[in-house]
Amino acid sequence: DTEVTQTPKHLVMGMTNKKSLKCEQHMGHRAMYWYKQKAKKPPELMFVYSYEKLSINESVPSRFSPECPNSSLLNLHLHALQPEDSALYLCASSLENNSPLHFGNGTRLTVT
Amino acid sequence: GEDVEQSLFLSVREGDSSVINCTYTDSSSTYLYWYKQEPGAGLQLLTYIFSNMDMKQDQRLTVLLNKKDKHLSLRIADTQTGDSAIYFCAPRNSGGYQKVTFGTGTKLQVIP
Repeated sequence: DTEVTQTPKHLVMGMTNKKSLKCEQHMGHRAMYWYKQKAKKPPELMFVYSYEKLSINESVPSRFSPECPNSSLLNLHLHALQPEDSALYLCASSLENNSPLHFGNGTRLTVT
Repeated sequence: GEDVEQSLFLSVREGDSSVINCTYTDSSSTYLYWYKQEPGAGLQLLTYIFSNMDMKQDQRLTVLLNKKDKHLSLRIADTQTGDSAIYFCAPRNSGGYQKVTFGTGTKLQVIP
């Protein structure tokens, strides 16, 4: 069982919808990450939060908006997505910036 | 950015050893991780090696690092059907943000 919990497991949304993905960890990790994974591809980094501050944005379109309300929670707010944004969205955390990543099971997002 | 390459597919018989290879380009990589991904799941950290080591053994897993050639391998002894999954090599660079870059992934098929 993973110690990083992501909800929902599956999400179907239209291009005009607004939705949020949620991620939670209680391991005391200080860095949290969002990755996007398309089918048969490796995960690609989107955002990194370190000590609740955004430290990396990999030139992600503004229709994806991350939020880190506290050290245990990470959200990804979605608005006006495109069908090509359909993918598995993975959250990860690490104790510090140079520690191994621990992943959740992901949210499978379909944009119709 | 860093390029991380793996062969796409490996098929082995149950009980044999599996060797998954990885080449990377950033010679300043500090930690090098191996992750396993089963269908529909997130990524599970299997093991990792620090760049000042050339070998690490962890039960059935052996990691070999050739820093000069920027080559990493993962050997799985006595491969079982439960080892069938996609395996990702993931070096962490030593830059300011210490990014983790995932390899292309190797699909391991274990034949009973």
